[in-house]
Amino acid sequence: ETGVTQSPTHLIKTRGQQVTLRCSSQSGHNTVSWYQQALGQGPQFIFQYYREEENGRGNFPPRFSGLQFPNYSSELNVNALELDDSALYLCASSFTSGETQYFGPGTRLLVL
Amino acid sequence: EDQVTQSPEALRLQEGESSSLNCSYTVSGLRGLFWYRQDPGKGPEFLFTLYSAGEEKEKERLKATLTKKESFLHITAPKPEDSATYLCAVQVGSGNTGKLIFGQGTTLQVKP
Repeated sequence: ETGVTQSPTHLIKTRGQQVTLRCSSQSGHNTVSWYQQALGQGPQFIFQYYREEENGRGNFPPRFSGLQFPNYSSELNVNALELDDSALYLCASSFTSGETQYFGPGTRLLVL
Repeated sequence: EDQVTQSPEALRLQEGESSSLNCSYTVSGLRGLFWYRQDPGKGPEFLFTLYSAGEEKEKERLKATLTKKESFLHITAPKPEDSATYLCAVQVGSGNTGKLIFGQGTTLQVKP
């Protein structure tokens, strides 16, 4: 059974640019959640996708957007990058919404 | 406002010295409480889910308990490989969204 995978592992961007992060959910899981984790802090919920529809959103501006595909993989897009967007971005999948979430290794984003 | 607080922020133990980590929460409608372990630069690894007061779960040297206001993660005779950040998260509210609210974590260091 393949776990949650994310790509890329590391990324460096400059302020104002756009970035796309990718996540493949664990086999059999139809729900993907995205979190942002700043250094020394706990993860903060960005949004969740359930069967290709957004299913809840945290306190993040609209420049954070996402997508879920028919195979339940997902993308996180961030436009107009700001320095404060530098963080570890975590993807988690679950069998369905409300079930235990299993996390991927994360993508480390640095905005200069 | 839903809130999760973990204490202490950091804990240093000698190998074999048992201790407990605390997670206190103020939430409306607890659906579940989760414990994760996170190694530096990696994604959180699922440990336990607790659903109701009085529930206990065990795994090797770890035991998680839950009351109406807090959860404890007891570590018995820890080894250096137990060194990591331990995250507590709650799933709240009604509806179908599986949003997790995390505490800031407790960083545990076990010295040989």
